[in-house]
Amino acid sequence: GQQLNQSPQSMFIQEGEDVSMNCTSSSIFNTWLWYKQDPGEGPVLLIALYKAGELTSNGRLTAQFGITRKDSFLNISASIPSDVGIYFCAGQMAQDYQLIWGAGTKLIIKP
Amino acid sequence: EPEVTQTPSHQVTQMGQEVILRCVPISNHLYFYWYRQILGQKVEFLVSFYNNEISEKSEIFDDQFSVERPDGSNFTLKIRSTKLEDSAMYFCASSGLYTEAFFGQGTRLTVV
Repeated sequence: GQQLNQSPQSMFIQEGEDVSMNCTSSSIFNTWLWYKQDPGEGPVLLIALYKAGELTSNGRLTAQFGITRKDSFLNISASIPSDVGIYFCAGQMAQDYQLIWGAGTKLIIKP
Repeated sequence: EPEVTQTPSHQVTQMGQEVILRCVPISNHLYFYWYRQILGQKVEFLVSFYNNEISEKSEIFDDQFSVERPDGSNFTLKIRSTKLEDSAMYFCASSGLYTEAFFGQGTRLTVV
């Protein structure tokens, strides 16, 4: 079946550091989505990418849709304590609207 | 801002009982989904629903599960004869044509 490889699985960083995570796939996607999940909450959309090569920012977050349409990355600059949580990537193909999920990157910020 | 709402937020049920999880998707959305997340694990796709029928389902979504959109507003997931391993967070989501999915806050199902 289709799979997304998301890395790293977890990150322990100092407050103020930049964070980078990525997702790769053997399949081509028309949409890449990045979600954040706080404990006990549903995933919340952070950034949606619709075109190959697209680079989109949302505050301190920046995400890019890879040129090959098989990968995407998410960067967080100058991390703060409320950035902790699990970040998920998801890819969506045009012919079916099922989201294919990455396994998540758990972000832990050391004070 | 429109949102997907799910009820109840937490459901405790005896093993073998049936449960119905309810969702109210965003009103002009066309596609509806259920996802499951076992504690500490990744979000797993269960089923997608479009035009009053299932459009896609995963191998998790077996005969124990069913979905319904009974009144054009609610979107329900029924789990028959619950098992201990059905304990999880269940998320409903909806999307419009070619748009991203928006998730509800989830229902935590505990089977005892």
